[in-house]
Amino acid sequence: NAGVTQTPKFQVLKTGQSMTLQCAQDMNHEYMSWYRQDPGMGLRLIHYSVGAGITDQGEVPNGYNVSRSTTEDFPLRLLSAAPSQTSVYFCASSHGASGTFSYEQYFGPGTRLTVT
Amino acid sequence: TQLLEQSPQFLSIQEGENLTVYCNSSSVFSSLQWYRQEPGEGPVLLVTVVTGGEVKKLKRLTFQFGDARKDSSLHITAAQTGDTGLYLCAGDDRDDKIIFGKGTRLHILP
Repeated sequence: NAGVTQTPKFQVLKTGQSMTLQCAQDMNHEYMSWYRQDPGMGLRLIHYSVGAGITDQGEVPNGYNVSRSTTEDFPLRLLSAAPSQTSVYFCASSHGASGTFSYEQYFGPGTRLTVT
Repeated sequence: TQLLEQSPQFLSIQEGENLTVYCNSSSVFSSLQWYRQEPGEGPVLLVTVVTGGEVKKLKRLTFQFGDARKDSSLHITAAQTGDTGLYLCAGDDRDDKIIFGKGTRLHILP
C-alpha cells in the first residue's frame, strides 16, 4: 500500500493564480482532511470529509474548496492564491468515525506552497 | 471550538535526561492522539489514549490521559538524540473535526 500520497511536493504560484493540490489514499479510509502548517501555529484544519460526497469546513476554510467524489481522492483547490496561503499543506486519512480508534490519522508527505 | 494547549513550546535537554510535555484543554475529549513530526515529513502517530486515567507505554515513552479526559502528558525516560522532533497532540471536536495543539519542539543534545 502506498498510504496517503500528495502531489506536487513543491509549488510556486503567483498571486491570483489557481491550482489544485492532489491527495489520494489506498486504505479505504472514510475520513479525509486537509491541514496547513505554519511556523508556531501547529496544524490548522482547512476542510474535512467523513465520506464520499460529504465535506465540511474546518478552522481556516476561506480561499479553499474541496470535493469528495470518490473514497480515494480528496483534492484541495486554491481559487485565487494569496501570499497568506504560503504554507505547508498536509492531507490525512483515517478510518470512519464509528470505532474507538477512528481518529488515528495517517498523513501524506506534504506540499510546500509558496505564493509570490 | 475546543482548544488544545501544549507546553512547553520548546525544550532542549541533554541526552540521558528525563522530560515531560503536556497537552491541556478545558474541554473533554473522547480520545487524544500523540504524533511526532520530523523536519520535512508528515506527522506520524505514536499512540491513542481513550480511557480516563489510562497509561500507555511505548519503549521509553509513557503517555497518560487525565482522569477527566481533558489533558494528557508524555514522559520520556533517558532521552536520546533520536527523540528530537515536534510532538503534537490531537483530539476530536464534537463535530468530527480533529484539531491539533501547536506542538512541543524537542531538541535532545548529544
